[in-house]
Amino acid sequence: SQQGEEDPQALSIQEGENATMNCSYKTSINNLQWYRQNSGRGLVHLILIRSNEREKHSGRLRVTLDTSKKSSSLLITASRAADTASYFCATFLYNQGGKLIFGQGTELSVKP
Amino acid sequence: GAGVSQTPSNKVTEKGKYVELRCDPISGHTALYWYRQSLGQGPEFLIYFQGTGAADDSGLPNDRFFAVRPEGSVSTLKIQRTERGDSAVYLCASSFGPGLAGSSAGELFFGEGSRLTVL
Repeated sequence: SQQGEEDPQALSIQEGENATMNCSYKTSINNLQWYRQNSGRGLVHLILIRSNEREKHSGRLRVTLDTSKKSSSLLITASRAADTASYFCATFLYNQGGKLIFGQGTELSVKP
Repeated sequence: GAGVSQTPSNKVTEKGKYVELRCDPISGHTALYWYRQSLGQGPEFLIYFQGTGAADDSGLPNDRFFAVRPEGSVSTLKIQRTERGDSAVYLCASSFGPGLAGSSAGELFFGEGSRLTVL
């Protein structure tokens, strides 16, 4: 079963613009992670935010977490054509067996 | 190798046949995960190993699916009597695991996947 729902399902922007993707989830969590997947490839971990954190930065990535609304957002600033990929959020809850549950993903297209 | 290795990368089989998909995790990773991903969807959890034992197999869709990890390293996902609906990319991932009770899971390292097509 899927835990998260991501919004939008698809996003198309121009190079240099910012891209914002949102993730909502249903249960309480220990942490939330974002992954990237290029077409036909495996997933690559981008960033992890713990349930007691509200915001985290890594390079051009900024992640926020609002546990009261059960939602997170991923912001990619100054996007590049190479950022074109699918982006997934994944939630972890330790007492649900230690597995990560993924959302449906946002397909980002950055046009040069 | 340095990363998670999955073989075969592509497998085409006929309905009703038996299939094995192999995953070689990153050395030292105690946790190993299998996911299934259909086109345009997110990865769907199948099973998770901590060491040799299956810590959570709640995602296996039915008893045609089985996975083993006999020595706590390489894992094999086995699918019996394949059906067309089993067609998907099967992803394997490994990690250091959730760790001690109360701590958080770290990142998963994914392989490139095994694309299974059942005709």
